[in-house]
Amino acid sequence: GAGVSQSPSNKVTEKGKDVELRCDPISGHTALYWYRQSLGQGLEFLIYFQGNSAPDKSGLPSDRFSAERTGGSVSTLTIQRTQQEDSAVYLCASSTSQGAGFFGQGTRLTVV
Amino acid sequence: AQKITQTQPGMFVQEKEAVTLDCTYDTSDPSYGLFWYKQPSSGEMIFLIYQGSYDQQNATEGRYSLNFQKARKSANLVISASQLGDSAMYFCAMRPYNTGGFKTIFGAGTRLFVKA
Repeated sequence: GAGVSQSPSNKVTEKGKDVELRCDPISGHTALYWYRQSLGQGLEFLIYFQGNSAPDKSGLPSDRFSAERTGGSVSTLTIQRTQQEDSAVYLCASSTSQGAGFFGQGTRLTVV
Repeated sequence: AQKITQTQPGMFVQEKEAVTLDCTYDTSDPSYGLFWYKQPSSGEMIFLIYQGSYDQQNATEGRYSLNFQKARKSANLVISASQLGDSAMYFCAMRPYNTGGFKTIFGAGTRLFVKA
């Protein structure tokens, strides 16, 4: 597609449930990032994929968070046993190896 | 360690005037990229401008220019002739090309308010 696509755009889930967030990057972009942004705050780095290299998971806040990138393209961020503090906007970005990241519209996650 | 610092949580500017948003960074990597993004209230992240560490000239994109002072490790964004639509959050970011896992890191952001 022309841009980074994220789905769903909004997700409301009950505490304790698992959620999956999807990111479809720009075709040909080798790098893919997940960030989290709480209301009025900056971007919190979660995980980074670059080509076939092992992902940089250093930003994942707990073992309830995981992500995969299949075939070097689509990525899924999974949050298990969601907690209220997981409520945030989850942003995905993709880029070439050295270029600027282009962001999707984000998924607004609300845990009730 | 890689770090981005934006010291201005909020800035006000009069419409049609220029404004400078500060950004300093820290990296030991000699090769890196610097980026600025705009995030309006709609939430989308809009890429504005890029500066490479080896670029000899300051980057410009329309009303945006980047005041790159390599020795000081600063990459300030200058917006000329401010418009009401420039009111938004602005993030500075850096991506090292040889170290730090090559991932892009962001500053905390500066919220710009343009007054009519």
